[in-house]
Amino acid sequence: AQSVTQLGSHVSVSEGALVLLRCNYSSSVPPYLFWYVQYPNQGLQLLLKYTSAATLVKGINGFEAEFKKSETSFHLTKPSAHMRDAAEYFCAVTTPSGGYNKLIFGAGTRLAVHP
Amino acid sequence: KAGVTQTPRYLIKTRGQQVTLSCSPISGHRSVSWYQQTPGQGLQFLFEYFSETQRNKGNFPGRFSGRQFSNSRSEMNVSTLELGDSALYLCASSAGTLNTEAFFGQGTRLTVV
Repeated sequence: AQSVTQLGSHVSVSEGALVLLRCNYSSSVPPYLFWYVQYPNQGLQLLLKYTSAATLVKGINGFEAEFKKSETSFHLTKPSAHMRDAAEYFCAVTTPSGGYNKLIFGAGTRLAVHP
Repeated sequence: KAGVTQTPRYLIKTRGQQVTLSCSPISGHRSVSWYQQTPGQGLQFLFEYFSETQRNKGNFPGRFSGRQFSNSRSEMNVSTLELGDSALYLCASSAGTLNTEAFFGQGTRLTVV
């Protein structure tokens, strides 16, 4: 079975500061990993995905994540936070055995950006 | 192209009633998945339909059911509503293969009173 752990339910940064949102996964087979963002009263928007190609994945809005198999991690980073980045972020995992579109989500991290 | 459309956006029901939610996927997508989002349990997978067949199922009671039509539109039904069913129900559509992105709708906010 797969699972995802997001460390820190709330993260607060200053505008212009580095954003680091942590995600660790558990999977008995090579995983596919995703980061989604959710704005208030909205659905989820895909930021980036890892599907066994390059381990450093670049996504939209300046975000990127690095797949580290030895650490079972897929942390999300952005060099410089903007006010518009304030939202909730979800890490998710799936695998061929888990099902093609059966995403297992972490509990989410709410990012606050202050001036 | 048009995104994933979920109707209605908001719904208030009474305990014991049943409810049907609708999801129209992106044109050409054959897979539709449903998720329940609550503050306490987070995002949980309900089920996935592909070409009118349930392909995956999460750990929800039988009161939660779904179906998919030949045009890929999907409905989910919850019978005998309980207060704990109050949640944001999200639908996601994709082409249906592993290496494809799942696009989410804006969700249906269900409140059970």
